[in-house]
Amino acid sequence: EAGVAQSPRYKIIEKRQSVAFWCNPISGHATLYWYQQILGQGPKLLIQFQNNGVVDDSQLPKDRFSAERLKGVDSTLKIQPAKLEDSAVYLCASSLGLAGADTQYFGPGTRLTVL
Amino acid sequence: GENVEQHPSTLSVQEGDSAVIKCTYSDSASNYFPWYKQELGKGPQLIIDIRSNVGEKKDQRIAVTLNKTAKHFSLHITETQPEDSAVYFCAASKAQKLVFGTGTRLLVSP
Repeated sequence: EAGVAQSPRYKIIEKRQSVAFWCNPISGHATLYWYQQILGQGPKLLIQFQNNGVVDDSQLPKDRFSAERLKGVDSTLKIQPAKLEDSAVYLCASSLGLAGADTQYFGPGTRLTVL
Repeated sequence: GENVEQHPSTLSVQEGDSAVIKCTYSDSASNYFPWYKQELGKGPQLIIDIRSNVGEKKDQRIAVTLNKTAKHFSLHITETQPEDSAVYFCAASKAQKLVFGTGTRLLVSP
């Protein structure tokens, strides 16, 4: 079974530029998550999708971050404009989305450096 | 909201020794507690998990215990090997929302 795919793996941009990350979840997984992991910390949830609807985006900085999951499969996370403090690893995870089957599987992440 | 504390932040052991990592959580409604291993440059990988209706679970050299009354859970690794060296994260979940601890860097020396 293929895992969660993310691209790109690395991205370096200057502050105030924009950037987008892509995620393809495990086939059949209804729930998709985006996390931000700052160096030395645990992952922090940014947004959770159930199929193509947003379940929780309470910790997403909506003035600069946006995410979509068209057709309930792939997802993109965008930052515009980027700030220095956005430097982090952005992780995508997916789960079946069923009660009692909430194990989340993570992709390799995209390491973003904002200069 | 949920808050998860994890200790220690770093742990150094000799190969063959046991390692124990402890976590506490604040929300008594949390009902799922996974442990993830993260190697350098990779995403977190699930190694074991436990649900609130179970007190202990074991998988080969890895075991997890849960004390719901005290709201704490622990990861136990026996007969550690150099390839166990990584950062380990605990997490607590309610309604499919994971809150992670701050991580423990485990170093196993040959």
